[in-house]
Amino acid sequence: SYVLTQPPSVSVAPGQTARITCGGNNIGSKSVHWYQQKPGQAPVLVVYDDSDRPSGIPERFSGSNSGNTATLTISRVEAGDEADYYCQVWDSSSASVFGGGTKLTVL
Amino acid sequence: QVQLVQSGAEVKKPGSSVKVSCKASGGTFSSYAISWVRQAPGQGLEWMGGIIPIFGTANYAQKFQGRVTITADESTSTAYMELSSLRSEDTAVYYCARDGTGGEPNWFDPWGQGTLVTVSS
Repeated sequence: SYVLTQPPSVSVAPGQTARITCGGNNIGSKSVHWYQQKPGQAPVLVVYDDSDRPSGIPERFSGSNSGNTATLTISRVEAGDEADYYCQVWDSSSASVFGGGTKLTVL
Repeated sequence: QVQLVQSGAEVKKPGSSVKVSCKASGGTFSSYAISWVRQAPGQGLEWMGGIIPIFGTANYAQKFQGRVTITADESTSTAYMELSSLRSEDTAVYYCARDGTGGEPNWFDPWGQGTLVTVSS
């Protein structure tokens, strides 16, 4: 089955840029979606189809996808961005796959 | 816009079954896939399977084949996830989530609020 690999943790100071990667075999050929999850809450979609933002999601959130790596970029990080972030794709057998998640810490 | 409201927390004995519901309101139900995703304590998200209500045929993750049944009732805009032969490792929060658009499988938006299922003797 298809495997997505994320770093367990990323730390960044307020106002800086956070980059969270999601690695997978030829992931650039798939559509990647990203979710933010805060403690005790359901996940929230922050980027879909590699780089599109749902309404209500700040422009600070952006995404890219090429080759074997997709990246979620959060610019001008704020304390409220501290959360777990998950990438998600659909594999060739019509099963959905999530990355293991990355905990973003705002220093 | 569509909202998904799930049934309440459950405590089950090992070996028993649990059935969780997910009622949609305020939007299209039948032509959009509903998936079930679970999250064990302190762990990541795990897709279990999904269904497009208008077609009625479910698709399951290999890990849960034979133990999970996902159904949908168009008349009440409600999807269900039943998990059998419960064991302690099934203790988790179970979420339903709707596809963002119809057609090919895509992103999950919105999500239900989650249902905690605790399996304990």
